[in-house]
Amino acid sequence: AQSVTQLGSHVSVSEGALVLLRCNYSSSVPPYLFWYVQYPNQGLQLLLKYTSAATLVKGINGFEAEFKKSETSFHLTKPSAHMSDAAEYFCAVSDPGGYQKVTFGTGTKLQVIP
Amino acid sequence: EADIYQTPRYLVIGTGKKITLECSQTMGHDKMYWYQQDPGMELHLIHYSYGVNSTEKGDLSSESTVSRIRTEHFPLTLESARPSHTSQYLCASSESGTGSGNTIYFGEGSWLTVV
Repeated sequence: AQSVTQLGSHVSVSEGALVLLRCNYSSSVPPYLFWYVQYPNQGLQLLLKYTSAATLVKGINGFEAEFKKSETSFHLTKPSAHMSDAAEYFCAVSDPGGYQKVTFGTGTKLQVIP
Repeated sequence: EADIYQTPRYLVIGTGKKITLECSQTMGHDKMYWYQQDPGMELHLIHYSYGVNSTEKGDLSSESTVSRIRTEHFPLTLESARPSHTSQYLCASSESGTGSGNTIYFGEGSWLTVV
């Protein structure tokens, strides 16, 4: 069984400030982990994914996430927020073999304040 | 870059009408999915398919139906639309095989409004 918890349905940051979106997972096998971004009226776009190689994963638009097995976490960060980062972000977990369906978190809406 | 296409993007229809939302992917992925998402809310899996002639209901009960006659095509049909069906419908696909981890690629979504 696998699950994902995203802490905070809404996060507000000032432009230029650090972005930190939290994701904790539960999985019975070593997981694959994903972050997706959704802009208004669009589908989800893959930001980055962890597939058991390097624990620090770099994605698009300056985002990165670190897999911490001891904390069962996969938090998403960006050093300096930009107005264009305002969107909904979803964390997801899967098993490497793809035998289970992907499980998505409930999403975190990021607001960037000028 | 994912190549998955949904039509129509936006649709307003009357109650009782039949509607089919089209979804096609050009990546040769075996697995395809339909998610339902209300504005600003979480995703709900309503249908999935692991290959041709294979369809399964998802975690959220839906009155819609799907078919998978060709690998690249996964249409969703509502026989009689109701206002409660108003939502965004997201089509997605992923490849099979060990190590793929089910990386899912999404279309841009179809916004359905039933009046």
